[in-house]
Amino acid sequence: QVQLVQSGAEVKKPGSSVKVSCKASGGTFSSYTISWVRQAPGQGLEWMGRIIPILGIANYAQKFQGRVTITADKSTSTAYMELSSLRSEDTAVYYCARLLVGSYYFQHWGQGTLVTVSS
Amino acid sequence: QSALTQPASVSGSPGQSITISCTGTSSDVGGYNYVSWYQQHPGKAPKLMIYDVSNRPSGVSNRFSGSKSGNTASLTISGLQAEDEADYYCSSYTSSSTLNWVFGGGTKLTVL
Repeated sequence: QVQLVQSGAEVKKPGSSVKVSCKASGGTFSSYTISWVRQAPGQGLEWMGRIIPILGIANYAQKFQGRVTITADKSTSTAYMELSSLRSEDTAVYYCARLLVGSYYFQHWGQGTLVTVSS
Repeated sequence: QSALTQPASVSGSPGQSITISCTGTSSDVGGYNYVSWYQQHPGKAPKLMIYDVSNRPSGVSNRFSGSKSGNTASLTISGLQAEDEADYYCSSYTSSSTLNWVFGGGTKLTVL
């Protein structure tokens, strides 16, 4: 059974960084890409970027370019999303989602990680 | 402002059918058959309901169906049930230089 388990909630100060993990089980890690999608309180979904673990290549939405880094550790089937220079508008639930390589839909989702940015 | 346009809310009575629209451009919805739909209950992660415009994943009820015409995709739910009450989001792959995937703003479905 496919599962994506994310790390727990975080409270961060403005200007700091946060790193969220997403551990995959079930299926072959290298057969998938991992995207990160966030949802601000009461708002819609927003795609941030993705990584292709088998290649180690990541690309990002222009909005987050320079502030977000997505990495993957194939040995532990875990993806990471680090967001820097946090501001209050970054308060959101951050989801990882898995796509089969060559597909264009988010097949499985993690449970979400709430990141709160507050002074 | 979301890249794809959805109605903020729709409603229907049990047993009825409703349709949610999702309007984009030729760079996303109109340019690719890569529209997907997600159901999200409060406090839960999104769940894939439709992929590649009209395909249902295993385990999703056949009451859910998808279609596309030009730059507008649609999700239809027939035989509405109380448990269908949720937020629904469309998504499309995009050829935009600034991002790879876009979402709609979401539609709140109320089952009366």
